[in-house]
Amino acid sequence: DGGITQSPKYLFRKEGQNVTLSCEQNLNHDAMYWYRQDPGQGLRLIYYSQIVNDFQKGDIAEGYSVSREKKESFPLTVTSAQKNPTAFYLCASRTGPAKNEKLFFGSGTQLSVL
Amino acid sequence: GEDVEQSLFLSVREGDSSVINCTYTDSSSTYLYWYKQEPGAGLQLLTYIFSNMDMKQDQRLTVLLNKKDKHLSLRIADTQTGDSAIYFCATGGGGNKLTFGTGTQLKVEL
Repeated sequence: DGGITQSPKYLFRKEGQNVTLSCEQNLNHDAMYWYRQDPGQGLRLIYYSQIVNDFQKGDIAEGYSVSREKKESFPLTVTSAQKNPTAFYLCASRTGPAKNEKLFFGSGTQLSVL
Repeated sequence: GEDVEQSLFLSVREGDSSVINCTYTDSSSTYLYWYKQEPGAGLQLLTYIFSNMDMKQDQRLTVLLNKKDKHLSLRIADTQTGDSAIYFCATGGGGNKLTFGTGTQLKVEL
Protein backbone atom coordinates (compact mmCIF):
# COMPACT_ATOMS: atom_id res chain seq x y z
CA ASP A 1 0.00 0.00 0.00
CA GLY A 2 1.23 3.47 -0.83
CA GLY A 3 1.47 5.99 1.93
CA ILE A 4 3.52 8.08 4.31
CA THR A 5 5.23 6.44 7.25
CA GLN A 6 6.37 8.42 10.28
CA SER A 7 8.48 6.93 13.03
CA PRO A 8 8.64 6.64 15.88
CA LYS A 9 5.07 7.14 17.09
CA TYR A 10 6.34 8.50 20.44
CA LEU A 11 9.70 10.11 21.15
CA PHE A 12 11.25 11.54 24.27
CA ARG A 13 14.01 14.12 24.31
CA LYS A 14 16.42 14.93 27.11
CA GLU A 15 17.61 18.47 27.65
CA GLY A 16 20.42 19.41 25.26
CA GLN A 17 19.77 16.46 22.99
CA ASN A 18 19.07 16.48 19.26
CA VAL A 19 16.44 14.05 18.03
CA THR A 20 15.46 13.05 14.50
CA LEU A 21 11.96 12.23 13.30
CA SER A 22 11.66 10.00 10.28
CA CYS A 23 9.30 10.49 7.33
CA GLU A 24 9.22 8.12 4.37
CA GLN A 25 6.79 8.09 1.44
CA ASN A 26 6.32 5.65 -1.40
CA LEU A 27 3.82 7.76 -3.31
CA ASN A 28 6.44 9.14 -5.69
CA HIS A 29 5.56 12.64 -4.52
CA ASP A 30 7.92 15.51 -5.24
CA ALA A 31 6.93 17.84 -2.40
CA MET A 32 7.19 17.05 1.31
CA TYR A 33 6.30 19.09 4.38
CA TRP A 34 6.75 19.14 8.14
CA TYR A 35 4.09 20.65 10.38
CA ARG A 36 3.96 21.14 14.11
CA GLN A 37 0.61 20.84 15.91
CA ASP A 38 -0.07 22.36 19.31
CA PRO A 39 -3.50 22.23 20.99
CA GLY A 40 -5.69 25.13 19.91
CA GLN A 41 -3.10 26.44 17.45
CA GLY A 42 -3.72 24.31 14.41
CA LEU A 43 -0.84 23.34 12.13
CA ARG A 44 2.24 25.47 11.66
CA LEU A 45 4.69 24.87 8.83
CA ILE A 46 8.28 24.13 9.86
CA TYR A 47 10.05 23.25 6.61
CA TYR A 48 9.09 22.10 3.13
CA SER A 49 10.85 20.64 0.14
CA GLN A 50 9.59 20.76 -3.43
CA ILE A 51 12.38 18.68 -4.93
CA VAL A 52 15.32 16.53 -3.92
CA ASN A 53 18.30 18.44 -2.49
CA ASP A 54 16.24 21.59 -1.99
CA PHE A 55 14.16 22.82 0.95
CA GLN A 56 12.77 26.08 2.34
CA LYS A 57 12.00 27.39 5.78
CA GLY A 58 8.40 27.61 6.83
CA ASP A 59 6.87 29.85 9.46
CA ILE A 60 8.60 28.35 12.52
CA ALA A 61 11.93 26.89 11.31
CA GLU A 62 14.09 28.09 14.20
CA GLY A 63 15.50 25.18 16.21
CA TYR A 64 14.81 22.65 13.46
CA SER A 65 16.78 21.26 10.53
CA VAL A 66 15.93 18.99 7.58
CA SER A 67 17.55 17.20 4.68
CA ARG A 68 16.21 15.87 1.38
CA GLU A 69 18.83 13.55 -0.03
CA LYS A 70 16.28 11.13 -1.44
CA LYS A 71 12.86 11.70 -2.95
CA GLU A 72 11.28 9.25 -0.54
CA SER A 73 12.73 10.64 2.68
CA PHE A 74 12.48 13.95 4.54
CA PRO A 75 13.82 13.61 8.11
CA LEU A 76 13.34 16.40 10.64
CA THR A 77 15.90 17.06 13.38
CA VAL A 78 14.74 18.88 16.49
CA THR A 79 17.86 20.51 17.86
CA SER A 80 18.70 21.59 21.40
CA ALA A 81 18.07 25.16 20.25
CA GLN A 82 14.34 24.42 20.13
CA LYS A 83 13.36 25.31 23.69
CA ASN A 84 9.76 24.15 23.54
CA PRO A 85 9.76 21.01 21.41
CA THR A 86 6.81 19.20 22.99
CA ALA A 87 4.23 18.87 20.22
CA PHE A 88 2.68 16.53 17.68
CA TYR A 89 4.70 16.53 14.44
CA LEU A 90 3.07 15.75 11.12
CA CYS A 91 4.76 14.98 7.83
CA ALA A 92 2.89 15.42 4.56
CA SER A 93 3.52 15.09 0.85
CA ARG A 94 1.93 15.94 -2.47
CA THR A 95 2.74 15.40 -6.10
CA GLY A 96 3.97 18.89 -6.94
CA PRO A 97 3.34 22.63 -6.87
CA ALA A 98 0.29 22.61 -9.13
CA LYS A 99 -2.90 24.46 -8.28
CA ASN A 100 -4.76 21.63 -6.62
CA GLU A 101 -2.46 19.04 -5.25
CA LYS A 102 -3.97 17.45 -2.20
CA LEU A 103 -1.80 16.89 0.85
CA PHE A 104 -1.41 13.36 2.20
CA PHE A 105 -0.42 13.07 5.86
CA GLY A 106 1.47 10.56 7.94
CA SER A 107 0.12 9.40 11.30
CA GLY A 108 2.34 11.74 13.29
CA THR A 109 5.04 11.63 15.99
CA GLN A 110 4.39 12.85 19.52
CA LEU A 111 7.57 14.41 20.92
CA SER A 112 7.86 15.03 24.64
CA VAL A 113 10.62 16.43 26.83
CA LEU A 114 11.91 14.38 29.77
CA GLY B 1 0.47 36.56 6.09
CA GLU B 2 -2.65 34.56 5.42
CA ASP B 3 -4.96 33.84 8.32
CA VAL B 4 -7.64 31.16 8.71
CA GLU B 5 -10.01 31.29 11.69
CA GLN B 6 -12.27 28.62 13.16
CA SER B 7 -14.16 28.23 16.40
CA LEU B 8 -12.51 25.71 18.71
CA PHE B 9 -15.45 23.56 19.78
CA LEU B 10 -18.82 22.33 18.53
CA SER B 11 -21.15 19.89 20.25
CA VAL B 12 -24.14 18.26 18.54
CA ARG B 13 -26.55 15.40 19.20
CA GLU B 14 -26.34 12.23 17.16
CA GLY B 15 -28.61 12.49 14.11
CA ASP B 16 -28.54 16.29 14.00
CA SER B 17 -26.66 18.33 11.40
CA SER B 18 -23.30 19.87 12.24
CA VAL B 19 -22.09 23.10 10.69
CA ILE B 20 -18.43 24.02 11.05
CA ASN B 21 -17.44 27.51 9.97
CA CYS B 22 -14.22 29.03 8.73
CA THR B 23 -13.14 32.54 7.70
CA TYR B 24 -10.00 33.33 5.77
CA THR B 25 -8.08 36.35 4.55
CA ASP B 26 -6.28 35.18 1.41
CA SER B 27 -8.50 36.23 -1.48
CA SER B 28 -6.15 34.57 -3.98
CA SER B 29 -6.95 31.09 -2.66
CA THR B 30 -7.80 28.85 -5.57
CA TYR B 31 -8.89 25.81 -3.60
CA LEU B 32 -10.28 25.48 -0.09
CA TYR B 33 -10.10 22.22 1.80
CA TRP B 34 -11.63 20.42 4.76
CA TYR B 35 -9.52 17.87 6.63
CA LYS B 36 -10.52 15.52 9.45
CA GLN B 37 -8.20 14.41 12.26
CA GLU B 38 -9.06 11.56 14.59
CA PRO B 39 -7.25 11.28 17.96
CA GLY B 40 -3.53 10.56 17.65
CA ALA B 41 -3.66 10.37 13.86
CA GLY B 42 -2.74 12.41 10.83
CA LEU B 43 -5.10 14.53 8.76
CA GLN B 44 -7.39 12.98 6.18
CA LEU B 45 -8.75 15.01 3.28
CA LEU B 46 -12.56 15.08 3.43
CA THR B 47 -13.45 17.35 0.57
CA TYR B 48 -12.43 20.51 -1.25
CA ILE B 49 -14.03 23.24 -3.31
CA PHE B 50 -12.74 25.34 -6.18
CA SER B 51 -12.95 29.07 -5.54
CA ASN B 52 -15.36 29.73 -8.43
CA MET B 53 -17.97 27.41 -6.91
CA ASP B 54 -20.62 28.30 -4.31
CA MET B 55 -21.50 24.82 -3.16
CA LYS B 56 -20.30 21.26 -3.35
CA GLN B 57 -22.14 18.22 -2.07
CA ASP B 58 -20.59 14.83 -1.40
CA GLN B 59 -22.90 12.33 0.30
CA ARG B 60 -23.45 13.64 3.86
CA LEU B 61 -21.06 16.54 3.37
CA THR B 62 -22.02 19.94 1.98
CA VAL B 63 -19.47 22.71 1.50
CA LEU B 64 -20.66 26.29 1.11
CA LEU B 65 -18.36 29.08 -0.04
CA ASN B 66 -19.13 32.78 0.24
CA LYS B 67 -16.19 34.31 -1.56
CA LYS B 68 -17.34 37.89 -0.98
CA ASP B 69 -17.31 37.40 2.81
CA LYS B 70 -14.38 34.92 2.66
CA HIS B 71 -16.45 32.40 4.58
CA LEU B 72 -16.39 28.64 4.18
CA SER B 73 -18.61 26.12 5.94
CA LEU B 74 -18.85 22.36 6.20
CA ARG B 75 -22.23 20.80 6.93
CA ILE B 76 -22.39 17.18 8.05
CA ALA B 77 -25.88 15.71 7.77
CA ASP B 78 -27.11 13.03 10.18
CA THR B 79 -24.02 13.36 12.37
CA GLN B 80 -22.79 10.08 13.87
CA THR B 81 -20.48 9.33 16.80
CA GLY B 82 -17.82 8.33 14.27
CA ASP B 83 -17.79 11.92 13.06
CA SER B 84 -16.29 13.06 16.37
CA ALA B 85 -12.90 14.50 15.44
CA ILE B 86 -11.06 17.75 14.80
CA TYR B 87 -11.94 19.41 11.51
CA PHE B 88 -9.47 21.73 9.80
CA CYS B 89 -10.18 24.28 7.14
CA ALA B 90 -7.24 25.05 4.80
CA THR B 91 -6.68 27.47 1.96
CA GLY B 92 -4.21 27.17 -0.88
CA GLY B 93 -3.60 27.05 -4.56
CA GLY B 94 -0.45 29.14 -4.59
CA GLY B 95 1.55 26.06 -5.42
CA ASN B 96 3.69 25.90 -2.32
CA LYS B 97 1.83 25.41 0.89
CA LEU B 98 -1.56 25.37 2.54
CA THR B 99 -2.61 27.60 5.41
CA PHE B 100 -4.53 25.72 8.08
CA GLY B 101 -7.07 26.98 10.56
CA THR B 102 -6.89 26.25 14.27
CA GLY B 103 -9.24 23.28 13.94
CA THR B 104 -12.75 22.72 15.35
CA GLN B 105 -13.24 19.90 17.84
CA LEU B 106 -16.58 18.25 17.02
CA LYS B 107 -18.17 16.26 19.83
CA VAL B 108 -21.19 14.10 19.01
CA GLU B 109 -23.39 13.24 21.97
CA LEU B 110 -25.88 10.38 22.17
